[in-house]
Amino acid sequence: DTEVTQTPKHLVMGMTNKKSLKCEQHMGHRAMYWYKQKAKKPPELMFVYSYEKLSINESVPSRFSPECPNSSLLNLHLHALQPEDSALYLCASSQDIGSGYEQYFGPGTRLTVT
Amino acid sequence: AQSVTQLDSQVPVFEEAPVELRCNYSSSVSVYLFWYVQYPNQGLQLLLKYLSGSTLVKGINGFEAEFNKSQTSFHLRKPSVHISDTAEYFCAVSDRAAGNKLTFGGGTRVLVKP
Repeated sequence: DTEVTQTPKHLVMGMTNKKSLKCEQHMGHRAMYWYKQKAKKPPELMFVYSYEKLSINESVPSRFSPECPNSSLLNLHLHALQPEDSALYLCASSQDIGSGYEQYFGPGTRLTVT
Repeated sequence: AQSVTQLDSQVPVFEEAPVELRCNYSSSVSVYLFWYVQYPNQGLQLLLKYLSGSTLVKGINGFEAEFNKSQTSFHLRKPSVHISDTAEYFCAVSDRAAGNKLTFGGGTRVLVKP
């Protein structure tokens, strides 16, 4: 099983809402990632978790809050977002955090902030 | 710091014709190179990767790429494209100093015409 799943597929939220994105993998991978992708642009790294600990935070605003409850699950909690946060949010995982490990991507959650 | 340039933002090509997507990178250390494909409304899928060894790398779906260290390039080729190859293609690099942090190029949109 080389699948990364993400829920929900689509999410529409107001600027005062609180919502969460969920990502799951059962490949035994120890590194998990959140990316943000705007239309017609490449993915931008947001966060990296390694062995369930936050390893990299790419200066992401605090209205995005990641959480890694266990080695298979990664959440992204959203609060007080802005319309410019509308994007495709991609989760990925890799066997480890060292260079050269292939990252497996999920299908993404398309987020619209109204 | 590493960077990736994809020289063509869009490549129209007729079905059964060959295609080449150009990618140049800059990095101060040894690099690992990847090509990912993104079909409409989907996540990214790895086509192929170069870690070391033979400079000609074969991937899935009939794609191949050649690593050229002197020209700092990693161009992607397919001898005969299908309509189903219509997608966005991203070149990415990670280096040993950056852990598994991927730096993506701007992407090349391939449009295969019948």
